Order: sequence, then C-alpha cells, then structure tokens
Amino acid sequence: NAGVTQTPKFRILKIGQSMTLQCAQDMNHNYMYWYRQDPGMGLKLIYYSVGAGITDKGEVPNGYNVSRSTTEDFPLRLELAAPSQTSVYFCASSKGRDHNSPLHFGNGTRLTVT
Amino acid sequence: GNSVTQMEGPVTLSEEAFLTINCTYTATGYPSLFWYVQYPGEGLQLLLKATKADDKGSNKGFEATYRKETTSFHLEKGSVQVSDSAVYFCALLETSGSRLTFGEGTQLTVNP
Repeated sequence: NAGVTQTPKFRILKIGQSMTLQCAQDMNHNYMYWYRQDPGMGLKLIYYSVGAGITDKGEVPNGYNVSRSTTEDFPLRLELAAPSQTSVYFCASSKGRDHNSPLHFGNGTRLTVT
Repeated sequence: GNSVTQMEGPVTLSEEAFLTINCTYTATGYPSLFWYVQYPGEGLQLLLKATKADDKGSNKGFEATYRKETTSFHLEKGSVQVSDSAVYFCALLETSGSRLTFGEGTQLTVNP
C-alpha cells in the first residue's frame, strides 16, 4: 500500500523557472492538500481539494496553482519560481474532513530556488 | 482566527527522561486537537487525538489531555527512547472541520 507518493524528492530551480510537484494517493481519498513547511513556522496550507474537479485556496496560495482532474492526483504548479518559495512541500490526503479522518502525508519535496 | 502555540525548541533529553511539550490554542467553538509526529526524512503522521474537553489521547506511551479551561493539550511521555527523536506538531481542527491549523513544531532529540 503506497499511500501518498510525492515526486521529486529534491529539486533546485532558478528564479523564474517553472515546475510541477506531483502527488498521487491510492487510498481513494476525496480530500487532498498541499502544505509548505518552513523552519520554525509549522505547516501552512497552500491549496486543497474536496474532490475531483474542485479546488480551493488555503492560507498561502499566491504563486501556486493546482488542478484535480482525477481522485488520485493533485499536482502543484509553480509558474515563476521565487526565492521565497524555497521550502519543503508536503502533499496530504484524507477520507473526510472531520476528527475521524486523519491526514496521510507524503514524504515531501525539498525545493530550493536560487 | 484559530492559532496553536507550542513551546520553543529544540528539546534535548537523555533516554528514560520524562517529556513534556507544551501546546496551547486559541479557537472558537469546540475544536478537535491532535499531535502529529515527523520522523527524519518523512511526512507527518498522526500520533494521538482528543475530540472533546477532558478527553485523553494516548499512543506509543505518549499522552495528552484536552484541557478547555486552560486551552491546552500538552504532550507527555514518562520515559523517552532514542527512537522518539522527531519533530512534534500540535494541531487544531476547527468545529466546522474546514481547516487544520498546525503549531510551529518542536524538535525532540533523545540521547542514549
């Protein structure tokens, strides 16, 4: 059972470049999330999705885009990378959105923008 | 808005020492409270939870009690092991279930 799979694990981008962080889950979860983790700042929600075809902004959506064409996949797109986007990115999924539906996290993508 | 505040880290302990990581929260209504743990190189995973006042969550020797009067959810373990070295996150799920708010995380290192 793979759970939540993120690729790549590491990436270095130059300022202005674009890239897509991939996320896939095999648990048939409706809810999927993208977080960024910065040192001493905890996790901040970038975007989330409650099902295929539906996405919504989180706390820090600027500079990012997402799509949810299938239940399994939830890619995160950076169009014009900036140094402020250097971070560790985590994708997560959950069955529901209540206390009985814990988040399942991927192992993260460490992104450096220089 | 909702917020979660954790004790500043990092925390360094010797094996078999007693652990407390403080967590306090600000929220309206009756949120659910969680502790997540992140081992090196991995994503977060749920450690324990409590969904109403005076509930005690427990798992792997860790415990936390939902104290509404002090708006706290402190994590405790009586005897830590080297394998407990990780980052611990306190989190709050608001009553509507629409958003999970994380604290800033506390790095724990346990030395043999």
